[in-house]
Parts: sequence; structure tokens; C-alpha cells
Amino acid sequence: GNSVTQMEGPVTLSEEAFLTINCTYTATGYPSLFWYVQYPGEGLQLLLKATKADDKGSNKGFEATYRKETTSFHLEKGSVQVSDSAVYFCAPDTGFQKLVFGTGTRLLVSP
Amino acid sequence: DVKVTQSSRYLVKRTGEKVFLECVQDMDHENMFWYRQDPGLGLRLIYFSYDVKMKEKGDIPEGYSVSREKKERFSLILESASTNQTSMYLCASRQPGDYGYTFGSGTRLTVV
Repeated sequence: GNSVTQMEGPVTLSEEAFLTINCTYTATGYPSLFWYVQYPGEGLQLLLKATKADDKGSNKGFEATYRKETTSFHLEKGSVQVSDSAVYFCAPDTGFQKLVFGTGTRLLVSP
Repeated sequence: DVKVTQSSRYLVKRTGEKVFLECVQDMDHENMFWYRQDPGLGLRLIYFSYDVKMKEKGDIPEGYSVSREKKERFSLILESASTNQTSMYLCASRQPGDYGYTFGSGTRLTVV
């Protein structure tokens, strides 16, 4: 079945540092891919998505590129802020209207 | 703004109680989902529904049931709450196509 692997956290960075959170998946076909963010005490919010190979999703300075060859969808941001501290989830679409979620990667950004 | 509303943010129940978690969406979405979130385990799918009165088991349905009598409402039922059901419960809805989920704020359930 479909599965997703995210890098373990926490990822600890100083403000303005470069961020990469790795995500690889196994899936049948070419699923749509999503990144979600969860701020403390809240539900998950859609951060960005890509629906086909080589698509780049972007939002709030975050980017991720759909890499079909490596079945990856790594999340990047050039300069993180303290307000980016949250848990990030990678989620491919299974094709049955269900998303499968990674275990999440906690990001901690210090001033 | 589109919304998924979960009736309680925090809930404390006793072992053996029947517990109802309510979720309402105002987007006319067909698909609704219940997940539980636990540290180190991520999100695990309990039940989902593609339409009114339809339900499908997810990955961990044991100890749970669901009800979807109206399109906008999807209820999760713990028939006899146990301490291992202490968790964060997240409801989500989705319209068909390349759209993601919209999540509620979650219900943190503690069973004592």
C-alpha cells in the first residue's frame, strides 16, 4: 500500500537559516502530494500541494517540488522565522480520496 | 471562510462511558474522515465516509463506530471508552479532486 517516510525531528534551527524537511513516498501511479502544518494546539492546515511530476508547490515562502524519479517531495524554505515553529506533515494521495500521512517533523526555530 | 467544526476542544471521560465526538462542515463536501493523532505515530485513519449513510473502516477501526445521517455531520462514537483511546482526534472533510483536506481544530480526549 501507499506509505510515506519523513525525516525524524526535531529539527532545530536559528532564525534565518535554510530549512529542508525530507519526504519520500511509495505509491501506485502518480499521486497528488501535499504538505500540511500544525501549529501548537491546532488542527492541520494545508501548506502547499503539487499534482503532477515536476510541479512546484509554494506558499508563505515554503516550496516543494514533485520528483517522480526519486518519489520525493522535500519541503524547503530559504529563511525560517520563529513563527514557523510547528509540526510539518507530508501526505500523498492514495487515489481513493484518502491521504496517508507521515509521522510529522517538528521544527523548532530559535531567535 | 470554509470550516470544519469539532464540538469540543477538550474532553475528559471515564472508562466504560459511551463517547460521542461531533464534526460539522459547512462546505457541502462529500468525503469526511476521522483520524487519531498520537506522538510518534502520526495520524491514523479510523473511519471515513464518501456520502450520507456510507461508512468505511480505516486502519484502526476497533473500538469505534461512526454515524453520518446528514451530509454535513460525521460523528465518531467510542462504544465503551478505554484508557488507550486517550488521544487527539481530528476530523477532516474533502471535496473530490486534487484538493486537500480541511481539518477541524481537534478534540483532545482523556479517558480516566
